[in-house]
Amino acid sequence: DAGVIQSPRHEVTEMGQEVTLRCKPISGHDYLFWYRQTMMRGLELLIYFNNNVPIDDSGMPEDRFSAKMPNASFSTLKIQPSEPRDSAVYFCASSLAHRVYEQYFGPGTRLTVT
Amino acid sequence: DQQVKQNSPSLSVQEGRISILNCDYTNSMFDYFLWYKKYPAEGPTFLISISSIKDKNEDGRFTVFLNKSAKHLSLHIVPSQPGDSAVYFCAAKAFNSGNTPLVFGKGTRLSVIA
Repeated sequence: DAGVIQSPRHEVTEMGQEVTLRCKPISGHDYLFWYRQTMMRGLELLIYFNNNVPIDDSGMPEDRFSAKMPNASFSTLKIQPSEPRDSAVYFCASSLAHRVYEQYFGPGTRLTVT
Repeated sequence: DQQVKQNSPSLSVQEGRISILNCDYTNSMFDYFLWYKKYPAEGPTFLISISSIKDKNEDGRFTVFLNKSAKHLSLHIVPSQPGDSAVYFCAAKAFNSGNTPLVFGKGTRLSVIA
């Protein structure tokens, strides 16, 4: 299995621009998670899906952030408009329902907003 | 308020010696604990876990100890190897929370010096 795939690996954009991060979970996994990692806050859960349905988005920082999962093999995290404080590494992870706490992470997308 | 705390941002250990990484938690409903390991430019990977019904779990060079009364767990690596140099995240999930995701600490960067 290729593992969780994220794209792009690096994104540099200017403040005010729209940013879209993409994730392909491991085939057969029921859960998909979006995390953000910063030095100050560590690894924060933004939102997670179960069988493509958003379950908890309370970690999404503000309305500028949105996430979708149109099917079992694809999810996007969009930031519009982006701000410099959004600069971080964004991880996608997936897991099986009966072992939801053993999550498989993608390599992350390093986002820099200038 | 952080429910999972890793108070040491970094740790340096000589190769061959023991590495001890510590983690404290505040939520008494946590019943399952995990350690994840993260190399630069990669996503975290699951390392070892422990249920609250146990006080020790061992897997090769890695042992996790749980002290429920102190709300404290630790990861021991013996002997430490240069390849163990990474960031280690402590994570926990709450009892009877269904599939509520994990709560992560901020991580401890371990450097094993040859």
